[in-house]
Amino acid sequence: ETGVTQTPRHLVMGMTNKKSLKCEQHLGHNAMYWYKQSAKKPLELMFVYNFKEQTENNSVPSRFSPECPNSSHLFLHLHTLQPEDSALYLCASSQGLAGEKVFGPGTRLTVL
Amino acid sequence: AQSVTQPDIHITVSEGASLELRCNYSYGATPYLFWYVQSPGQGLQLLLKYFSGDTLVQGIKGFEAEFKRCQSSFNLRKPSVHWSDAAEYFCAVGAGGGGNKLTFGTGTQLKVEL
Repeated sequence: ETGVTQTPRHLVMGMTNKKSLKCEQHLGHNAMYWYKQSAKKPLELMFVYNFKEQTENNSVPSRFSPECPNSSHLFLHLHTLQPEDSALYLCASSQGLAGEKVFGPGTRLTVL
Repeated sequence: AQSVTQPDIHITVSEGASLELRCNYSYGATPYLFWYVQSPGQGLQLLLKYFSGDTLVQGIKGFEAEFKRCQSSFNLRKPSVHWSDAAEYFCAVGAGGGGNKLTFGTGTQLKVEL
């Protein structure tokens, strides 16, 4: 595997379900990010991790819970989501916070 | 606060024709500007970036962009479009060399007619 990988690529869940999105980077980067891409809206930064420490939370609702066990892996735990949370969730990584961001292919999430 | 405007939601061009995608930004200091492309089912790929120096920057896939400070613009151009260029294009502004705290535009969907 190379670059940034995300699993699953597609996810359908009910509002009462609990699921997790996984991101893995194979680039030796030390910063990782979660973005939300909704139709007709700009890409929104959700969370930033630098050396496994969360450095930014952009007022994201608590039903989204990130986890970064090491510099190569990033998770987004989901519970009691709303239909408006349906979107493409993109993970990215970079070497340092000012480094060029490499994006994964995203997870297409649908909340019923 | 920084912001990015991409005035064209959809653009259709014929294969072989020239292309220009517009991007206007608002930023309080010297901007770091980026263009990304997103093909269906894919993540964002960096096409090119501007930090300083020559205002005409060359990117991958034959794309170029020109930074015009007086117009607060960073338009993306390609002299001859290929069918494989059909995708969504995002302009972004940020701080830092790689774009810390990137602010993205809403994107322009490019359709290429054969």
